[in-house]
Parts: sequence; C-alpha cells; structure tokens
Amino acid sequence: GESVGLHLPTLSVQEGDNSIINCAYSNSASDYFIWYKQESGKGPQFIIDIRSNMDKRQGQRVTVLLNKTVKHLSLQIAATQPGDSAVYFCAEIPVIQGAQKLVFGQGTRLTINP
Amino acid sequence: NAGVMQNPRHLVRRRGQEARLRCSPMKGHSHVYWYRQLPEEGLKFMVYLQKENIIDESGMPKERFSAEFPKEGPSILRIQQVVRGDSAAYFCASSRALAGSGETQYFGPGTRLLVL
Repeated sequence: GESVGLHLPTLSVQEGDNSIINCAYSNSASDYFIWYKQESGKGPQFIIDIRSNMDKRQGQRVTVLLNKTVKHLSLQIAATQPGDSAVYFCAEIPVIQGAQKLVFGQGTRLTINP
Repeated sequence: NAGVMQNPRHLVRRRGQEARLRCSPMKGHSHVYWYRQLPEEGLKFMVYLQKENIIDESGMPKERFSAEFPKEGPSILRIQQVVRGDSAAYFCASSRALAGSGETQYFGPGTRLLVL
C-alpha cells in the first residue's frame, strides 16, 4: 500500500545552523507533496509544496527538494530559529487513489538548541 | 481573514455518549476534510466533503462515525457511542478547490477528544 515515511524521528540542531528533514514516499504516481509544521497543541501549518513536475522550490528560509528517481523529499530550513522547533510532516496526494486526501508521514521532531 | 475554525477545542465524553465536532472552513472554501491524529503519529484521512455531498469517506469507520457539510452552517463530524479508542485529536482542513489542482489544504486548530 502507499506510505510516506521519514528517515529520522528526531533532529536537534544549533540555532543559526541549517537543518534538513527527509521523507521517503512509496507511491510513484503521487502528483503533489506538501510540508507541514505542527507546534504542540496546534493544527498543521502549511510550509511549502511542490508538484511532481518540479524538483526544487524555494520559500522564505525553506527549500523543498523532490527526487522522483528515488522517491525522496526533503525540507531544508536555513538559519534555524527557536520558533522552528516543531514536528514536521511530509504529505502526499496519491493520484491513483482518485480522491484528494493527504497521506501523512509519521513526522520528525525538530529541536533548535540555543 | 479568519482561518479554519473548529469547536470545541477540547471535548470530554464518557463511554457510550455522543461526540459532535464542528468545523467552519475558511471564507471562500467549499471543500472540507477531516483527519484524526493519535499521539506521536501523523494525521490519518477520514472523510472529504463538499457542500451537501460526501465525496470520499474511505478513511472513516463504517460504524458509529458520520459526517455532513450542510448547505448552511459548519461541517459536523459525529461519533456515536464513543469508546476509549476514539480518544484523539480531530483536525479539519479546507481548500478552495481540489487539493491536487494546486490548492492546498489549510488546517484548523483541532478538537481534542478524551473518552473516559
């Protein structure tokens, strides 16, 4: 079945450093990928998305890379700040399933150390 | 410009009671999605609705769970005869159009259901 998983469940980085969060997906027909940030007690917050016809997309301090050959997605956060501490989820929409439901990975907890 | 609104934020029920969770989508959004999240896990899709129609309920348990999105008013997720295993955070998301067309899903703050 489809699955979206993450390589590392936890990640600690020093404030100001860059961080990279990885995600593997198994459904090669997926067309749309999104990264969400979830802080404790809150709902997921949209960070950045990318479609399957792209391999890179940049936002403010964030970059998403998509490698369709190995079905790998990554989120790069530049110059991390304390407010970046949260759980980060990748999600995909499997086209072959027809409906517009997001399939989420387990999540990576990012901790920014002062 | 209000985001997705959910209420109540916290709900405590005893086994066998009913739980009603409400979701008001963002202004201009006509597509609503419900997800469930267990502690330390990702969100799991439950149901996708448009106004007055259930489009995809493949993630929703066949018994005790139902959802609606009436022409007027919020979307309702209803859980009858709750059991302890229903304890979770329930999130609602909305989008302007089909998410696969480039319109992302924006999430509400969630309702945390605790079944005693």
